[in-house]
This record gives sequence, C-alpha cells and structure tokens, in this order.
Amino acid sequence: DTEVTQTPKHLVMGMTNKKSLKCEQHMGHRAMYWYKQKAKKPPELMFVYSYEKLSINESVPSRFSPECPNSSLLNLHLHALQPEDSALYLCASSQYLGVMNTEAFFGQGTRLTVV
Amino acid sequence: AQSVSQHNHHVILSEAASLELGCNYSYGGTVNLFWYVQYPGQHLQLLLKYFSGDPLVKGIKGFEAEFIKSKFSFNLRKPSVQWSDTAEYFCAVSPGTASKLTFGTGTRLQVTL
Repeated sequence: DTEVTQTPKHLVMGMTNKKSLKCEQHMGHRAMYWYKQKAKKPPELMFVYSYEKLSINESVPSRFSPECPNSSLLNLHLHALQPEDSALYLCASSQYLGVMNTEAFFGQGTRLTVV
Repeated sequence: AQSVSQHNHHVILSEAASLELGCNYSYGGTVNLFWYVQYPGQHLQLLLKYFSGDPLVKGIKGFEAEFIKSKFSFNLRKPSVQWSDTAEYFCAVSPGTASKLTFGTGTRLQVTL
C-alpha cells in the first residue's frame, strides 16, 4: 500500500465555519506534511510532523491548526478562513524526516473553497 | 534556502515530438532531485528521482532526467511524447539530509494530436 488518502476531496466552507481535513497513510512513515497549492502555482510547504511532533511551521496563520493524533493520521483544522485560503491542500508522507534519500508520497488533495 | 527555476512555463508539442524541460536549482550542498507530474484533476505523482550515483536517471512512462552538477540542472527528457503526457510537470529539490521539498513553478505540457 503506497497510498496517502485524503478526505474530503472537495470542501466548501463559510468564513465563520470550522472544518477539518484528514489525511491517512499506512506505509509506516514517520514524517507527514501539509502543502498548499494555489491555482497554477507549485505546492508550498505549510507544516511538517516527525514522530507525531510538529517539526516545521512555515509561518502559517493560526487559523490553520495541524494535529497528528497518531503515526498514521494527520489533520488540518480550519477556522475563520478567508476567501484567499481557497486552494488545493495536499498531504504527503515520507519514511523519515532529516534522513538522506527520502521521497515523499502525495495524496490526491482536498480542494477547498472558502465563500 | 534552496530555490528551483523552471524556465518553460507552457510547452506545446505534437505527438511523437521530443521533449526537454529545463530545471535549475540553487543550493550549495548535497541535494535530492525529483520530477513530479500532475495530470488534470489528479494528485502529484513521482516521475523519477535522483539521490546519488549515475546522473542519468530513468523514470516511469519513458521519462529520463540528467543531473549535471556543474550546471545545477536536472532536465527532464522524453524522446517521443504522447497525447496522454499532457499534464503539469514540477521539478523539486530537497536538501540531502532533509525531506522538505521546494518546487519549481511548474511547466504545463500540452501535447496535440
């Protein structure tokens, strides 16, 4: 199983809503990532978890709150988002963080629209 | 911090034409290099990767890439493209001891029949 599964695939939310994006992998990977991809732009790193602990926060606004409840799951909690936060949110995992020769596996993404 | 440049933003080719997409990076240390493809409406898929060893790397679907260290380049090639190769192609770099990917701006490849 080399899949990273993200749910939901599409999400429309209002600016006052609270929602969560979910990501799951069963490859035994200990590093998990959230990326944000705006239309016609490359993915940009948001957060990195290593062994369920937050390792990197790329200065992401606090209205995005990541959570890693166990080694297979990664959530992204959303609250009070703005229309400019509309994007494709990609989850990825890799075997380890900080180790040479590691590749990341990406999920299909959640396409988020904030209205 | 590392950065990645893809100079071809939009490439249009006829089927059976040869493809070369440029990728240059800036980083002073050891790097891992990747090419990802994103078909319309689909997720990022790894085409090929370079960690070390033979600088000519072969990937899936007939793609290959050559790492030229002196030029900080990792260009993607395919001898004969197919209509199904229509997609967005991203070059990405991670430092040798980290898994943090930096992506180039992407190249949209359109293959016409």
